[in-house]
Amino acid sequence: DVKVTQSSRYLVKRTGEKVFLECVQDMDHENMFWYRQDPGLGLRLIYFSYDVKMKEKGDIPEGYSVSREKKERFSLILESASTNQTSMYLCASSLLGSGGLETQYFGPGTRLLVL
Amino acid sequence: AQSVAQPEDQVNVAEGNPLTVKCTYSVSGNPYLFWYVQYPNRGLQFLLKYITGDNLVKGSYGFEAEFNKSQTSFHLKKPSALVSDSALYFCAVRDLDTGFQKLVFGTGTRLLVSP
Repeated sequence: DVKVTQSSRYLVKRTGEKVFLECVQDMDHENMFWYRQDPGLGLRLIYFSYDVKMKEKGDIPEGYSVSREKKERFSLILESASTNQTSMYLCASSLLGSGGLETQYFGPGTRLLVL
Repeated sequence: AQSVAQPEDQVNVAEGNPLTVKCTYSVSGNPYLFWYVQYPNRGLQFLLKYITGDNLVKGSYGFEAEFNKSQTSFHLKKPSALVSDSALYFCAVRDLDTGFQKLVFGTGTRLLVSP
């Protein structure tokens, strides 16, 4: 089974802090994703990576950055946390595949509260 | 742009009765559609996907989905609901406007199965 793990289930941070969310997958997937989930809005893509050191912006990249130094690890960074970044953050991974139809597998999520 | 709509925020059904969770889509090309489920305080779990072929797609936990091109729908169904099916369900469509595996998610439908 694919396993995607996230470093924390719950985090409480203060406004202005730099926040690191870590994601690790164990299935040698090329693609990794960061989403945020908010009630009534569903999931929105923040960033995507298709290879080590490669990244693409998603729909809502403002206020975030990412790092992928190793294939299995994808980090989301909140440069200066703000209260409107309070949310559930979900990491996912998938094979590169062909046609872009591969299934994405999700981690358990990190619920971040910014005070 | 590709999009999916989940018209019901919540669906209530009694245990043992059939359930349907609705999803309609809007795409510019061939639709590639997915259903995911999220149990409380958990990440998303893949249920099933439609790529091509049979309009009735079978997935995990006894769920199936019916693809209807004329109605642009991809409703999730189960013949007999269980209390343990109570969860948040997301429909998603592959965004064909991007070169990577971007999924566009609906806003989610909460399913409550009463004993």
